[in-house]
Amino acid sequence: EAGVAQSPRYKIIEKRQSVAFWCNPISGHATLYWYQQILGQGPKLLIQFQNNGVVDDSQLPKDRFSAERLKGVDSTLKIQPAKLEDSAVYLCASSQSWRKNTEAFFGQGTRLTVV
Amino acid sequence: DAKTTQPPSMDCAEGRAANLPCNHSTISGNEYVYWYRQIHSQGPQYIIHGLKNNETNEMASLIITEDRKSSTLILPHATLRDTAVYYCIVRGTSGTYKYIFGTGTRLKVLA
Repeated sequence: EAGVAQSPRYKIIEKRQSVAFWCNPISGHATLYWYQQILGQGPKLLIQFQNNGVVDDSQLPKDRFSAERLKGVDSTLKIQPAKLEDSAVYLCASSQSWRKNTEAFFGQGTRLTVV
Repeated sequence: DAKTTQPPSMDCAEGRAANLPCNHSTISGNEYVYWYRQIHSQGPQYIIHGLKNNETNEMASLIITEDRKSSTLILPHATLRDTAVYYCIVRGTSGTYKYIFGTGTRLKVLA
């Protein structure tokens, strides 16, 4: 079974530029999560989708971050404009459903460096 | 905010059992305890989860105290490849069932 796919693996941009990350979840998984992990910290949830609807985006900085999951399958996370403090690993995860007794599977992440 | 407390770091000799504690004194009756680990430069990897009974799979065992206020993840025979950050998560039940990560325990397995 293929895992969660993310691209690109690494990205370096200058501040004020825009960037987009792509995630393809495990086939059939209805729930998709985007996390931000700053060096030395645990992952922080940015947004959670159930199919193509947003369940939780309370931690998403909506002035510069946006995410979509058209057709309820793959998803993109965009940052525009980027700031230095956005340097982090962006992790995508998926699970069969958002119910409490199912596990989520994570991708390898995209390491973003803003200079 | 994370609802768990873990020691920041632990060492374990290769071949010995690694016992990683987690305190979750405010856990609610229907909240599950999940364990993930993150090896350097990789995404978090699911290990095990449980509600109130002890659980075991091919990777580890999860021991939850009777009052459910703490748990222990046991890696029965630690290897160098088990060196990672281990996260204990209490999965919320307030509608979104989201995974909230703390800072975890950095386990170092020594040769």
